Amino acid sequence: QVQLQESGPGLVKPSETLSLTCNVSGDSISSFYWSWIRQPPGKGLEFIGFISYTGSTNYNPSLYSRVTISIDMSKNQFSLKLRSVTAADTAVYYCTRVGGSGYFYWGQGTLVTVSS
Amino acid sequence: EIVLAQSPGTLSLSPGERATLSCRASQSVKTNYLAWYQQKPGQAPRLLIYDTSRRAAGIPDRFSGSGSGTDFTLTISRLEPGDFAVYYCQQYVSSPLTFGGGTRVEI
Repeated sequence: QVQLQESGPGLVKPSETLSLTCNVSGDSISSFYWSWIRQPPGKGLEFIGFISYTGSTNYNPSLYSRVTISIDMSKNQFSLKLRSVTAADTAVYYCTRVGGSGYFYWGQGTLVTVSS
Repeated sequence: EIVLAQSPGTLSLSPGERATLSCRASQSVKTNYLAWYQQKPGQAPRLLIYDTSRRAAGIPDRFSGSGSGTDFTLTISRLEPGDFAVYYCQQYVSSPLTFGGGTRVEI
């Protein structure tokens, strides 16, 4: 059974870059698609984007200009970078494995706060 | 973008009762690519249903999904104490993948 663990700074300053990594265990990262989803405190879920094992990506148009998702097969990890963050980017960030044609199996999530 | 509207916003029920949650899409969700998730406070969402009606591994059969086109339903046949949570629907027929705003099932 796949296990997903997010890691990265819990506090990021406005205008800087949010960087998170998801460590995948129990599955080969080369077998599936992987994604990032976020949830602002007390609010709903927002799809950020996904990456395939070949490195092809699909981003939410609302974040497209600021997001990069990458994959490191040698480490069985994938990563998220979100540039020029503001307080509106404060959220719990989840890494997920994409199942079938696009549903999700979730990591435990990590809270990232944007504040000076 | 497909917008998903969930109703009601909050459902107040008692253990043993039946819960019926609705998810309405702004466009047809062809191929029935719709999933349901359960989220408890402080926890990540958990996949319950995918492809409209297929239960994920380990999900009890009191959870069932149905629907087609633009109207989908999650039914919990007999609520147990651990079922009180927020439920989200999600479509994966077109990009960007989108979620509904959630239904809170409370005691």
